[in-house]
Amino acid sequence: QVQLQESGPGLVKPSQTLSLTCTVSGGSISSGTYYWSWIRQPPGKGLEWIGYIHYSGSTYYNPSLKSRVTISVDTSKNQFSLKLSSVTAADTAVYYCARTCDGGSCFGSWGQGTLVPVSS
Amino acid sequence: QSVLTQPPSASGTPGQRVTISCSGSSSNIGSNTVNWYQQLPGTAPKLLIYSNNQRPSGVPDRFSGSKSGTSASLAISGLQSEDEADYYCAAWDDSLNALFGTGTKVTVL
Repeated sequence: QVQLQESGPGLVKPSQTLSLTCTVSGGSISSGTYYWSWIRQPPGKGLEWIGYIHYSGSTYYNPSLKSRVTISVDTSKNQFSLKLSSVTAADTAVYYCARTCDGGSCFGSWGQGTLVPVSS
Repeated sequence: QSVLTQPPSASGTPGQRVTISCSGSSSNIGSNTVNWYQQLPGTAPKLLIYSNNQRPSGVPDRFSGSKSGTSASLAISGLQSEDEADYYCAAWDDSLNALFGTGTKVTVL
């Protein structure tokens, strides 16, 4: 059973870059036709997909965030990461990392999520 | 703002059947499969239904999904108190973006 765990700073200042890492255990990030994703949820609101990466390095981002987002993978550490630049209070959210289902059609495994407030 | 529209709330008494709708368009639900996620209070979402009507291992058979045209539905039969949660539909669009519905809060009366 694959498990995912988000980690990163608990607070980010406006205009700075938000950086999070997702550590994968119980399975290899390099295996299968899985895509590794970031999804966020502002407090009291719905879910928003940020983007995904394949272990080969190919990425796809939500067009509304594309100019500010970078997702990368480190297969040696079994981790993938999110960088979101020029953050504002609107980026305050619980950030989840997730693995797609085999083939990529759904999100089958999720991390517990980490709240990242953006505040000065 | 999501392009998949759900009613904000739904409710029922224990044992009742509750149905949640999800409305999209030809470029998302109309041409791709629909998934449903359950989010219990304070927890991460969990995959409930995939490929329109398939249940992952461990999901009770009182949860069922269907799709017709550009809309989809989630039905909960025999509603139980532990079903009180937020439910989200999701689909990919033809531009390879993942879309989530607006979410429906289910209350067990």
